[in-house]
Amino acid sequence: DIQMTQSPSSLSASVGDRVTITCRASQTIRGSLNWYQQKPGEAPKLLISTTSTLQSGAPSRFSGSGSDTEFTLTISSLQPEDFATYYCQQSYKTPRTFGQGTRLEIK
Amino acid sequence: QVQLVQSGVEVKKPGASVKVSCKATGYSFTNYGISWVRQAPGQGLEWMGWISAYNHNTEYIQKFQDRVTMTTETSTTTAYMELRSLTFDDTAMYYCARGELAVGDNFDYWGQGTLVTVSS
Repeated sequence: DIQMTQSPSSLSASVGDRVTITCRASQTIRGSLNWYQQKPGEAPKLLISTTSTLQSGAPSRFSGSGSDTEFTLTISSLQPEDFATYYCQQSYKTPRTFGQGTRLEIK
Repeated sequence: QVQLVQSGVEVKKPGASVKVSCKATGYSFTNYGISWVRQAPGQGLEWMGWISAYNHNTEYIQKFQDRVTMTTETSTTTAYMELRSLTFDDTAMYYCARGELAVGDNFDYWGQGTLVTVSS
């Protein structure tokens, strides 16, 4: 199985900060990497697909980049509604696997 | 609009089975598969498996191979996930999510989740 490892596991930041979350795959997944946002008590929501495609309705402050085994999610200027847990997920092979999550908290 | 609406809270005893439903509306049901993802309290997301709504092919992860069954009913555009021989470790929120298993695919719509509690 492909292991997905996110760093950091948690992060404290302030409104307006630029934040980067990293996701590493245990083997190449080419560009088959998706990012999800999950707020407490809610289902996950697809944020970015295939490394860098921003989903309809997602704010442009979110961006994704990377290839092969290393990927990043960047939030250019944190807003209050961005404090949530973020998961990466590979869609290159089955079983589909997720990173362990990065909890983004208000400093 | 696309919606996945899941069945309600379940409380089960160890050794019992649970069957969770996921009613899909707003799209052509047989054009997409349904994955099931679970999340234990305070933990991350775990993909359990997938079923094609087109030909009912399934793919399960090894840890659930012997005790999970995923089905779909085209006439009612509903997907089901049955988990048998429940243990306390199966206490979790269970989500259905739309998506195929093609390379590069994703889970673009999710159900609201069904909380399954296993308690004696």
